[in-house]
Amino acid sequence: DGGITQSPKYLFRKEGQNVTLSCEQNLNHDAMYWYRQDPGQGLRLIYYSQIVNDFQKGDIAEGYSVSREKKESFPLTVTSAQKNPTAFYLCASTTTGFSNQPQHFGDGTRLSIL
Amino acid sequence: SQQGEEDPQALSIQEGENATMNCSYKTSINNLQWYRQNSGRGLVHLILIRSNEREKHSGRLRVTLDTSKKSSSLLITASRAADTASYFCATRMNNNAGNMLTFGGGTRLMVKP
Repeated sequence: DGGITQSPKYLFRKEGQNVTLSCEQNLNHDAMYWYRQDPGQGLRLIYYSQIVNDFQKGDIAEGYSVSREKKESFPLTVTSAQKNPTAFYLCASTTTGFSNQPQHFGDGTRLSIL
Repeated sequence: SQQGEEDPQALSIQEGENATMNCSYKTSINNLQWYRQNSGRGLVHLILIRSNEREKHSGRLRVTLDTSKKSSSLLITASRAADTASYFCATRMNNNAGNMLTFGGGTRLMVKP
């Protein structure tokens, strides 16, 4: 079955440590997105990518980095510069060029501070 | 900043009752989408309504869009305990080249058996 896989489901970060969240999709989608969700809140866009080797900052990119070396993969690194990383992180994908297609989401990674 | 604001933030009803959630937004849109999120899970797309549409149905879901008031509503009829979840509206703006969505804060729905 096609879908988006995020791993790990839970992740713990120590002070000063960078951690990387994985997102893989087999939907053949060109566009991929990373969102941050704080408790009881909506989603905020961190980064997005419309095509391999290209990505753009979203609303809250500071302290995060991404890469898009393969169409299927869009990993997110939470760097030590992100001082409040505790949140639920969601990855999504969709087709490009069609404005009326929904986004498909993974089941998220919950990041906490040790 | 969030484009959409949802009302109410939380809603508790009995099984069999209808649930109505509202979403307001600020700028002109290409389409508006509703998503559902079960606790600790990702979002699942429910329904999309284009800016030139006024009403759309999907099973027990009915969505309306009023572009003059910049608002939308989601109605779930004959609710079930399994409908308990958070519901989010998301808007795609007209000048959006990246197919990006802006999400509201969500409505947490609890359906009591």
